[in-house]
Amino acid sequence: AQTVTQSQPEMSVQEAETVTLSCTYDTSESDYYLFWYKQPPSRQMILVIRQEAYKQQNATENRFSVNFQKAAKSFSLKISDSQLGDAAMYFCAYRIRSLDNNDMRFGAGTRLTVKP
Amino acid sequence: EAQVTQNPRYLITVTGKKLTVTCSQNMNHEYMSWYRQDPGLGLRQIYYSMNVEVTDKGDVPEGYKVSRKEKRNFPLILESPSPNQTSLYFCASSSFYRGLDGYTFGSGTRLTVV
Repeated sequence: AQTVTQSQPEMSVQEAETVTLSCTYDTSESDYYLFWYKQPPSRQMILVIRQEAYKQQNATENRFSVNFQKAAKSFSLKISDSQLGDAAMYFCAYRIRSLDNNDMRFGAGTRLTVKP
Repeated sequence: EAQVTQNPRYLITVTGKKLTVTCSQNMNHEYMSWYRQDPGLGLRQIYYSMNVEVTDKGDVPEGYKVSRKEKRNFPLILESPSPNQTSLYFCASSSFYRGLDGYTFGSGTRLTVV
């Protein structure tokens, strides 16, 4: 079964600085999707960024970008110019690209604190 | 607005008292799923449904039931809740044909069983 590992239970960053959250995954598949979700104190799960495995170019969404290393099975999230509103739990997730399997696997999460 | 509506948001109950958490989506998604979130464990899948009348177990199905009589609804039933089912629960839906969209999540249900 596919597994997703987030090795940093907690991270801290100074406002306006840059922070990188780590994620590794284990799969034998070659075609899949990877996601980062943000969960603020409101509990809502918010999609931050997504990546298709067959695309080598790293995805970027404003201040959020990923470093996707397919061979290493690594999918880290970089947050630039951190803001107080970025404080949240962040989950890395994996999903196979298939029309008959929509299951998504999540990591344990990384709690990000932003210091003013 | 495209959304997954999950109710209630908070629920405190006693051991053994049957309860249902409702979930409804308005996006005509084929796939729906229930997860529980516990500290240090992330989100773990309880049950999922590929379409109407098609449900299957996830990683932690014990003590839970689901049904999918209509495409839009996917309730989670706890027939006899126990304290170890105290958790944060999420319903999610997705389309088979738009995998890159990921899941749309409900707003979560914080369940406490005493």
